[in-house]
Amino acid sequence: DQQVKQNSPSLSVQEGRISILNCDYTNSMFDYFLWYKKYPAEGPTFLISISSIKDKNEDGRFTVFLNKSAKHLSLHIVPSQPGDSAVYFCAASAGGGYQKVTFGTGTKLQVIP
Amino acid sequence: GAVVSQHPSWVICKSGTSVKIECRSLDFQATTMFWYRQFPKQSLMLMATSNEGSKATYEQGVEKDKFLINHASLTLSTLTVTSAHPEDSSFYICSAPQQGYNEQFFGPGTRLTVL
Repeated sequence: DQQVKQNSPSLSVQEGRISILNCDYTNSMFDYFLWYKKYPAEGPTFLISISSIKDKNEDGRFTVFLNKSAKHLSLHIVPSQPGDSAVYFCAASAGGGYQKVTFGTGTKLQVIP
Repeated sequence: GAVVSQHPSWVICKSGTSVKIECRSLDFQATTMFWYRQFPKQSLMLMATSNEGSKATYEQGVEKDKFLINHASLTLSTLTVTSAHPEDSSFYICSAPQQGYNEQFFGPGTRLTVL
């Protein structure tokens, strides 16, 4: 039972353009959502998060949007840079980011110079 | 941000042996740590929650007798894979939340290969 899904296993974007990564969840108890970036054979690195009381959070080039009614969130990266190429995981938790999180299936982003 | 380390970074062992993986919070205390496993090209799956001073909480389907977790201090949790078999070969990652931060900090992971 995959409670957090990322339906696009891969995404290619030209440098300078916008990257949009999508994530859907099914568990209504989730109230905190995070995005992590991961390279092979390394641990995930935190990017940005959003609480269910908000619908948008922005940090530099990264913006996360949350649509609670649709149980959908997205990560926008503008402008995309070659260094952004990695696997991005959406994650969700009930009770805050310091609680156990459930990870999505991941999207491999390739930013083409 | 906080730093979490893991040791070893990789290990190769023979089938039937036991392997211990350490997870340390280097600059903060962690009463809770989480252990995840990632198979190639798959998601990170939560295995268990490690609690300092008490028993670990295992996720459904994870064998507690096979994956022994000990949270002996506020900075160290260990995962022991007992009687390892080739199907246990995976990437094991730990994480720890730090007070004041609404996120978890992940270790670099440990690649286990069982021959």
